[in-house]
Amino acid sequence: AQSVTQLDSQVPVFEEAPVELRCNYSSSVSVYLFWYVQYPNQGLQLLLKYLSGSTLVKGINGFEAEFNKSQTSFHLRKPSVHISDTAEYFCAVSPQGAQKLVFGQGTRLTINP
Amino acid sequence: DTGVSQDPRHKITKRGQNVTFRCDPISEHNRLYWYRQTLGQGPEFLTYFQNEAQLEKSRLLSDRFSAERPKGSFSTLEIQRTEQGDSAMYLCASYWWGTNTGELFFGEGSRLTVL
Repeated sequence: AQSVTQLDSQVPVFEEAPVELRCNYSSSVSVYLFWYVQYPNQGLQLLLKYLSGSTLVKGINGFEAEFNKSQTSFHLRKPSVHISDTAEYFCAVSPQGAQKLVFGQGTRLTINP
Repeated sequence: DTGVSQDPRHKITKRGQNVTFRCDPISEHNRLYWYRQTLGQGPEFLTYFQNEAQLEKSRLLSDRFSAERPKGSFSTLEIQRTEQGDSAMYLCASYWWGTNTGELFFGEGSRLTVL
C-alpha cells in the first residue's frame, strides 16, 4: 500500500517570497508522483507530475518539484508567490501502471500582501 | 468536451434520506473514479470503473453506498439512509487507460450536507 505525508498543514508566506511545500511518501513499489491544486469551491487541477526521467519537473503557474528517491520525497517549490496562489495543495502517489491516486492531507498556502 | 461534470453541485438532505450523485466523464475516457473529501482532508478513494466494470471498492464504501456505470459512460453514486458522517465533497475523476499519462481529470465535486 502507499501513503503520503504532507508535513505542513498550513504555510503562510508573504507575496513575492519563495515557498516550499513538503511531501514524503511510502511505497513498496515504484510510483508516479503528482501535485494537485484546489481553489475554493473547485475541483482538483494538476500542477505537475513525475512519471520517469529527469527528477526536476516543471509545472503550471511557475511551480516545480524535485523527486528524491532516496529520501522518498517530492517537494513543491515556487521562487516567488502571488496572491492568486492562495489555495490548497495536495501531493499524491499512484503505483506505476495502476492509476489509483492516494492523496496526502493537503497544505493550505496563504499569501499575505 | 468541457471536462468532467458533476450534478448536483450541492445537496442538503435530512438524515435517513437517500441521495444520488451523477458524474459525466470526459467522453473518450474509459476509467472513472469516485473520491470523498471531508473538510480539511485530502480526497479518499472510494471506487473506480473501467468501462462498465467496477474493478475496486474501498472498505470506506459501506453497504449503504452503491455506484454504477451502466453503459460505460456516466456514473451514479447513491447513498442510502444518509448519516451525518456522510457529509463531504464527493469528487469524480476520469482517465483514459492506455495513455499512461497518469493524470486524472477531476470534476468540481458534489457537496453533501446531511442535517
